[in-house]
Amino acid sequence: DIQMTQSPSTLSASVGDRVTITCRASQSVSSWLAWYQQKPGKAPNLLIYRASSLESGVPSRFSGSGSGTEFTLTINSLQPDDFATYYCQQYNSYPWTFGQGTKVEIK
Amino acid sequence: QVQLQESGPGLVKPSETLSLTCTVSGGSINNYYWNWIRQPPGKGLEWIGYIYYSGNTNYNPSLKSRVTISVDTSKNQFSLKLSSVTAADTAVYYCARFPRTSYGDPIYYFDYWGQGALVTVSS
Repeated sequence: DIQMTQSPSTLSASVGDRVTITCRASQSVSSWLAWYQQKPGKAPNLLIYRASSLESGVPSRFSGSGSGTEFTLTINSLQPDDFATYYCQQYNSYPWTFGQGTKVEIK
Repeated sequence: QVQLQESGPGLVKPSETLSLTCTVSGGSINNYYWNWIRQPPGKGLEWIGYIYYSGNTNYNPSLKSRVTISVDTSKNQFSLKLSSVTAADTAVYYCARFPRTSYGDPIYYFDYWGQGALVTVSS
């Protein structure tokens, strides 16, 4: 299985900050990577697919980049609604696997 | 707007079989791939398996010996059975959909999710 490792595990930030989350794959996943946002008690919500494509309806302050084994999710001008846990997921190789999550907390 | 809703017992005894159903509304179950994903309390996400509306399945090797996913297109539902459960199977279980290309091929990320169903394994 491809292991997905996110860093940091927890991130403290303030409203208006620019936030970057990293996801590393144990082997190349090309650009087959998605990002999700999850709030407590809710299902994950798709933000980004194919490493950098913004899902319809997702605010443009979210962006993704990377390919191969290293990827980033950037949130420009963090908003109160963005405090949540973020997961990456590779879909290059079966079985599809997720990172362990990055919790974005209020500083 | 496609909506998914999980249903089933919230408490299962150890060694018994966990059973959940996902009902799809706002769209047809046909021509899509449908998944089960779980999340133990306070932990990350684990893909369990998928089923195509035609009945073709694929399971995570880590759970393959205990998992069965089935579909009932007449009810727009698909179901999960997980046998011989232990406390380690306590989790929120989500159903979710793979989107597809214009050619009908699946793309293996998850665009629609159910709200999740907590299943606790305890005597």
